[in-house]
Amino acid sequence: SQQGEEDPQALSIQEGENATMNCSYKTSINNLQWYRQNSGRGLVHLILIRSNEREKHSGRLRVTLDTSKKSSSLLITASRAADTASYFCATDRSGGYQKVTFGTGTKLQVIP
Amino acid sequence: DSGVTQTPKHLITATGQRVTLRCSPRSGDLSVYWYQQSLDQGLQFLIQYYNGEERAKGNILERFSAQQFPDLHSELNLSSLELGDSALYFCASSEMGHFSGNTIYFGEGSWLTVV
Repeated sequence: SQQGEEDPQALSIQEGENATMNCSYKTSINNLQWYRQNSGRGLVHLILIRSNEREKHSGRLRVTLDTSKKSSSLLITASRAADTASYFCATDRSGGYQKVTFGTGTKLQVIP
Repeated sequence: DSGVTQTPKHLITATGQRVTLRCSPRSGDLSVYWYQQSLDQGLQFLIQYYNGEERAKGNILERFSAQQFPDLHSELNLSSLELGDSALYFCASSEMGHFSGNTIYFGEGSWLTVV
């Protein structure tokens, strides 16, 4: 089973609006990363947040992490049509060897 | 361009056949990961190699095998193919032998269609 589960599964917004995606996970983690995948292409790393961090920014991206709730959110501000893609969270578990596990992804459509 | 190269990009083969997917990691990366992505199963971790040795195993079928060679390129062998093996197979690489804090760089994938 997947360690991470993204919510919603699909999201459609107008260009210029903000998009928020959530990721929930089951076990304690060391780090959480967000990746983007354009249709049929490879995944591209967006941002990493460590378990002792609560918030991180990168350009128009803002990631939050709540380890008590085992959840993370990815906010894309002022969305653009080029942001249309699937977004995945990936976690590595604390304790022992860390096998990266990807969530099920949120499919974001930004309408021009 | 992530620097991870996968070949072939597309492959169509018949059930029961065997195929080999090839991956060249980014320069300097010692870890290679293989993932399978299908519509109904999402992104599934198959196996990881670090500097030539198997480091972790995920949901890899016994019909599948992989190896990493001394020059660090890797191959994923899929045998006795079934229709359900049709998927996009990704190779990824990272510098370190563990994921923790590491960025994993993905190739563009190999589309496998089994007919």
